[in-house]
Amino acid sequence: GQQVMQIPQYQHVQEGEDFTTYCNSSTTLSNIQWYKQRPGGHPVFLIQLVKSGEVKKQKRLTFQFGEAKKNSSLHITATQTTDVGTYFCAVRLDSNYQLIWGAGTKLIIKP
Amino acid sequence: GAGVSQSPRYKVTKRGQDVALRCDPISGHVSLYWYRQALGQGPEFLTYFNYEAQQDKSGLPNDRFSAERPEGSISTLTIQRTEQRDSAMYRCASSLEQGGIYEQYFGPGTRLTVT
Repeated sequence: GQQVMQIPQYQHVQEGEDFTTYCNSSTTLSNIQWYKQRPGGHPVFLIQLVKSGEVKKQKRLTFQFGEAKKNSSLHITATQTTDVGTYFCAVRLDSNYQLIWGAGTKLIIKP
Repeated sequence: GAGVSQSPRYKVTKRGQDVALRCDPISGHVSLYWYRQALGQGPEFLTYFNYEAQQDKSGLPNDRFSAERPEGSISTLTIQRTEQRDSAMYRCASSLEQGGIYEQYFGPGTRLTVT
């Protein structure tokens, strides 16, 4: 079945450094969604990408969908403590409306 | 309400007991999903409703798990004869499913502990 590989599992950064998480698939994706889950919280929708090569920005967050629609990335510029959490990518299957989730990347700010 | 609500927030039960977990989605949301989430992992799909119809229950682990959404709004996930391995966070999400945007709104979850 459809799988989405997300890396890295963890990323430790100093506050102010950048952060990037990647999602990859062996098959072409029709869409990809990104969610953020704060510690102790629930997943919160950030964005959906559907077009080849699409780039969207939300303040310090930049989301990209690859030209071949097989990969996607989320980049955070100049991380802040409010960015701490786990970032998930998720792919919505057209066939049955399921969301297939990546394993998540946990952003940890070094003290 | 303003968001998705779930009750109870915490449930401790003894092995062999039945439990019912409730989800109240955002008003007007057509789609409702149940997930199970282990600590440090992404949500694991359990089942999906479109209005009152259960369209996909392929993620339910076994026949002890069932779900219903009789009037197309509130949903209940029932686990019969609970086992310790059922201990997890159970999350519900709803979605409007219109205009090509399929974002899911999650509730706070029910933390189930089976002793």
